[in-house]
Amino acid sequence: EVQLVESGGGLVQPGRSLRLSCTVSEFRFHEHAMHWVRQAPGKGLEWISRISWNGGSIAYADSVKGRFTVSRDNAKNSLYLQMNSLRTEDTALYYCVRDKMSVGPDAFDSWGQGTMVTVSS
Amino acid sequence: DIRLTQSPNSLSASVGDTVTITCQASQDIRNYLNWYQQKSGKAPKLLIYDASNLETGVPPRFSGSGSGTDFAFTIISLQPEDIATYYCQHYDSLPVTFGGGTKVEIK
Repeated sequence: EVQLVESGGGLVQPGRSLRLSCTVSEFRFHEHAMHWVRQAPGKGLEWISRISWNGGSIAYADSVKGRFTVSRDNAKNSLYLQMNSLRTEDTALYYCVRDKMSVGPDAFDSWGQGTMVTVSS
Repeated sequence: DIRLTQSPNSLSASVGDTVTITCQASQDIRNYLNWYQQKSGKAPKLLIYDASNLETGVPPRFSGSGSGTDFAFTIISLQPEDIATYYCQHYDSLPVTFGGGTKVEIK
């Protein structure tokens, strides 16, 4: 069974940094683009970043561009999200998501359970 | 950015009813539209991809249709386990965006 497990969330003060990780198993990680999608409490879904299978194509939502950096290590079956200059509006559950395709975007066919990030003083 | 307008925001129907949710895109997105189900406290789950293709393992009472700017998602014979919020999502271009969601409840 495909598994995606996020970690690294927590409570952080505005302006500080946090690094999220996502470790995957039971599929060929290097064959899929990956995304981060977040969901603020009680709100809808917001796509924030995509990285292609080899990291050669990366994109961000305007809301996080310049502050967040996505990366991946195919040898470790891991996806990362470095979040700098955090704002209160970044408070959300962050999902690691698999794309059906190697570059994407396409359908998001597997999701982790999410890791909660709370930005508050 | 492409905007997706879902309607209704919420609905209440009886077990066995047919339920339809619509999703309108602000511009032509061909058939680059997916539908997800999110149950309370759970991650979203892909149900329909490319507007009308049923994801593996998803019951056939779920279906999708449409192309261009107008799409529909239908549940035939609503079941108690279908209580959830449903989202449409386009992938025609970046940024990917989602509709606002439709909360489905049992009457």
